[in-house]
Amino acid sequence: NAGVTQTPKFQVLKTGQSMTLQCAQDMNHEYMSWYRQDPGMGLRLIHYSVGAGITDQGEVPNGYNVSRSTTEDFPLRLLSAAPSQTSVYFCASSYSAGVNTGELFFGEGSRLTVL
Amino acid sequence: AQSVTQLGSHVSVSEGALVLLRCNYSSSVPPYLFWYVQYPNQGLQLLLKYTSAATLVKGINGFEAEFKKSETSFHLTKPSAHMSDAAEYFCAVRGPKGAQKLVFGQGTRLTINP
Repeated sequence: NAGVTQTPKFQVLKTGQSMTLQCAQDMNHEYMSWYRQDPGMGLRLIHYSVGAGITDQGEVPNGYNVSRSTTEDFPLRLLSAAPSQTSVYFCASSYSAGVNTGELFFGEGSRLTVL
Repeated sequence: AQSVTQLGSHVSVSEGALVLLRCNYSSSVPPYLFWYVQYPNQGLQLLLKYTSAATLVKGINGFEAEFKKSETSFHLTKPSAHMSDAAEYFCAVRGPKGAQKLVFGQGTRLTINP
């Protein structure tokens, strides 16, 4: 019963390096999203996807790329890491319609530090 | 635009006391409102949600919340706090582009004193 799986759990990068945060879900959810969590700011939406091949920007998309080639996977790419991207990143998924819309299932988070 | 404001970044109560976490919302559409809980080093999990049915919503672990349109509020309560309730709590509202795109409040850290 895996749910939403994120890897890695911890990562340290140097400024300018690139990396990919992985996210996979096994609930056949159409909707997947990435949030970042910063102290005192709650969670802010970075990018989201409503199905394979469809992605869109959230509130804070700059410096991040996403793609959705399968229903299960939704990786988040940092193209050139900056210290401002130091944060905890959460992947979340949900059904796109029906009574359970809005019930996000979260991964355990990926803590990223950019030096 | 959709937004939520959580009043109080930290709340501390004694074990057995009433828990009250405050949330006020702003929404240009009929609101869908949510409370999520985050235990240390974990992701968020849904406590309860309001989707325009009953105004008093019951959730897991004895929590409930009341939707008050006149006050634009959705406060979370629990009659008797337990040590295991210590966590961070987030209020969220449906975003402008659909129900899944939630807009979260800043969070309230709940501490339970023995």
